[in-house]
Amino acid sequence: DAGVTQSPTHLIKTRGQHVTLRCSPISGHKSVSWYQQVLGQGPQFIFQYYEKEERGRGNFPDRFSARQFPNYSSELNVNALLLGDSALYLCASSGGSFGQPQHFGDGTRLSIL
Amino acid sequence: GNSVTQMEGPVTLSEEAFLTINCTYTATGYPSLFWYVQYPGEGLQLLLKATKADDKGSNKGFEATYRKETTSFHLEKGSVQVSDSAVYFCALRPMNRDDKIIFGKGTRLHILP
Repeated sequence: DAGVTQSPTHLIKTRGQHVTLRCSPISGHKSVSWYQQVLGQGPQFIFQYYEKEERGRGNFPDRFSARQFPNYSSELNVNALLLGDSALYLCASSGGSFGQPQHFGDGTRLSIL
Repeated sequence: GNSVTQMEGPVTLSEEAFLTINCTYTATGYPSLFWYVQYPGEGLQLLLKATKADDKGSNKGFEATYRKETTSFHLEKGSVQVSDSAVYFCALRPMNRDDKIIFGKGTRLHILP
């Protein structure tokens, strides 16, 4: 079975631009979470979506937004990119029932010039 | 608030040496505790977990015990291999929360042949 897939794998943008990152969860998983991992740090929680509804939000500015589609795939959007947004963006999926582990994709490496 | 503190890296060991990576946490009640591993260029893989006090999580020769009295979840392995070289993250999921996971900063492990 396919794991969590993310696209693109790498992306280069300039300051002020916007970006859309995509995630397909494991088949049957209804919950998708997004994390930002800055180089040398642990991942930081951005959002979780379950059944197309936002279930949780981390401490990120409103420039960050996300949505989940009927097939449970998800997009993360970041507007007005800053140099500090350069990071590995990780998507994780889970079944949605309480306590189920999150399974991570390989991430999208975003570089801001 | 909730937080995870793990030992600074990098940790360099010879093959077949004993490994300990220390992890302590701050949280209310009884969070779930995890160790994740990240190999170069990849996302996070769940290595092991424990959901209540005195639980021992184990996988691939690694183990960690949930110690409520010392708020610790140290990772151990009796005999490391070169293939264990990676970054290891200690993490917690707050009690009664199913959205976010809070990660430590990670410990890079180098195993020399």
